[in-house]
Amino acid sequence: SQTIHQWPATLVQPVGSPLSLECTVEGTSNPNLYWYRQAAGRGLQLLFYSVGIGQISSEVPQNLSASRPQDRQFILSSKKLLLSDSGFYLCAWSVLAGGPTDEQYFGPGTRLTVT
Amino acid sequence: AQSVTQLDSQVPVFEEAPVELRCNYSSSVSVYLFWYVQYPNQGLQLLLKYLSGSTLVKGINGFEAEFNKSQTSFHLRKPSVHISDTAEYFCAVSGRLTGGGNKLTFGTGTQLKVEL
Repeated sequence: SQTIHQWPATLVQPVGSPLSLECTVEGTSNPNLYWYRQAAGRGLQLLFYSVGIGQISSEVPQNLSASRPQDRQFILSSKKLLLSDSGFYLCAWSVLAGGPTDEQYFGPGTRLTVT
Repeated sequence: AQSVTQLDSQVPVFEEAPVELRCNYSSSVSVYLFWYVQYPNQGLQLLLKYLSGSTLVKGINGFEAEFNKSQTSFHLRKPSVHISDTAEYFCAVSGRLTGGGNKLTFGTGTQLKVEL
């Protein structure tokens, strides 16, 4: 069966510090990978998605970047965190070459607090 | 552009009572709709989805939803709720992404609180 892991589970970082969140998927090959952010009192917003190694697409301009160094690894980064980067970050995957009918499978999330 | 509106941010209900969580969507293309549930500090779990065919969709944990094209709605219902149903519920519409994959556009969520 497929599983998706995220770490760390919680993180408290000062403004201006760097960030690295990691997501890994097991039990599937060549997945589409996604990063979402859930800000307090708001819905989930798609930040980045990837259809293959080294292929990253950004949905919204922001202070964050993403990378996919391996097939089942997806990393979210920032060089300097802002207060507005606080939120709950969720990684998800779906089958490759899928389409709008596909389910996305979500990880447990990382709660980031920028102080 | 696609969008989803969940009008109720919070819905309190007593245990064993019925509940309806409302969702309205906007889409100019084929409509694919999802309901996800999020328990505290956890990721999202799929409850059910509408892709085509029968407008009444049954999901896990006794939930069901009805797709209504004329009213552009996809309301979630359960005839009798349990304490364990306390969670946040998200409605989403799915669209195709350039190069593959799909984008889920979520509503702002409805917090269901089941009380004794």
